[in-house]
Amino acid sequence: GENVEQHPSTLSVQEGDSAVIKCTYSDSASNYFPWYKQELGKGPQLIIDIRSNVGEKKDQRIAVTLNKTAKHFSLHITETQPEDSAVYFCAASLNRDDKIIFGKGTRLHILP
Amino acid sequence: EPEVTQTPSHQVTQMGQEVILRCVPISNHLYFYWYRQILGQKVEFLVSFYNNEISEKSEIFDDQFSVERPDGSNFTLKIRSTKLEDSAMYFCASVSGLSYEQYFGPGTRLTVT
Repeated sequence: GENVEQHPSTLSVQEGDSAVIKCTYSDSASNYFPWYKQELGKGPQLIIDIRSNVGEKKDQRIAVTLNKTAKHFSLHITETQPEDSAVYFCAASLNRDDKIIFGKGTRLHILP
Repeated sequence: EPEVTQTPSHQVTQMGQEVILRCVPISNHLYFYWYRQILGQKVEFLVSFYNNEISEKSEIFDDQFSVERPDGSNFTLKIRSTKLEDSAMYFCASVSGLSYEQYFGPGTRLTVT
């Protein structure tokens, strides 16, 4: 079955700098790659997603890139702010109604 | 904005007891899921449910677990005889079927003592 690896497990960046989180997946049939943000005591919240027919997607300060050949995808957050501090999960799924397989998460700390 | 809701937010139970975790998915959604997250670990898939039956389950979802959609709005996860290792956050999620986004509820923290 699908396996998603994520790194780093912890990331500290200065406020205003950029943060990059990288993931790899194992199943070449996966075609949907969501990113979730989880704040303390809350459920995962979708922040951006990308499908396999697209190489890059951007939404304001957040962007995601996908390299299907290498089975890599990454989350980029620019101009980081204190409210970006959270745990971020990458994930992969086969289809729109299929289960989501999560990475282990990255705890992002934004330093003042 | 519509959201998935879950009750209770925290459930404490003794080992061997039965628990029922409740979820109200977004009203026009067709696919429903349960996931769990043991403290400090990744979110793991338990079961998916569509058209009043289980469509897929993980190896975690053994005979002690069951799911039900008793009416048009609720979706429940039952654990028949809880074990210490069932202590985790349990998240319900739903998908409309027209898009890819899975919307997660806030979770139920289950503590088995």
